[in-house]
Amino acid sequence: AQKITQTQPGMFVQEKEAVTLDCTYDTSDQSYGLFWYKQPSSGEMIFLIYQGSYDEQNATEGRYSLNFQKARKSANLVISASQLGDSAMYFCAMRDPAGGSARQLTFGSGTQLTVLP
Amino acid sequence: DADVTQTPRNRITKTGKRIMLECSQTKGHDRMYWYRQDPGLGLRLIYYSFDVKDINKGEISDGYSVSRQAQAKFSLSLESAIPNQTALYFCATSAHPGLASTDTQYFGPGTRLTVL
Repeated sequence: AQKITQTQPGMFVQEKEAVTLDCTYDTSDQSYGLFWYKQPSSGEMIFLIYQGSYDEQNATEGRYSLNFQKARKSANLVISASQLGDSAMYFCAMRDPAGGSARQLTFGSGTQLTVLP
Repeated sequence: DADVTQTPRNRITKTGKRIMLECSQTKGHDRMYWYRQDPGLGLRLIYYSFDVKDINKGEISDGYSVSRQAQAKFSLSLESAIPNQTALYFCATSAHPGLASTDTQYFGPGTRLTVL
């Protein structure tokens, strides 16, 4: 069964507006971590934000915030005041809770965000 | 200087050749990982290592081997490359999880490998 689901293959947003990228996950564990990464066209993977399952507040990092709804098993990324440089592929990932000491990341299939001028 | 470096950045090779991809990090992390990314897909774990004497298979280890030469170095080998190993390969590192660490994985710039 797929552990991380990103249902939006592509998204468009107008510059300076906010955009939400969806991510849902599946786990029976109580302790897990959720991550968002950005992959620009140049190919590198850039860490954006982390949310722990026990964190009571939504994580924020500058213009990025994570809308964490534990009961719904969703961890949506919100980008405020979009910039042209935000155009990239965005991946949601979960630290594998079922892998014992593995703690590996399981990635979603990504959302391609395009910021329009 | 980048904290996680990968060499080479691009490589074109032929079927049957042995290829080594190298990863070095200056983050002082114990844990290192190799992933591959295929077009339109997320990353999949090939191998990981939690310290110099620890090597573990990931989701898609067949056709690959690794070597952890030092805390800072982790290399990936394709013993006999085949075309379906054409992909973007990433090395990543993370700290041991603890009170001061979320064991976030930090990625290198990637190696684009093409097997003809």
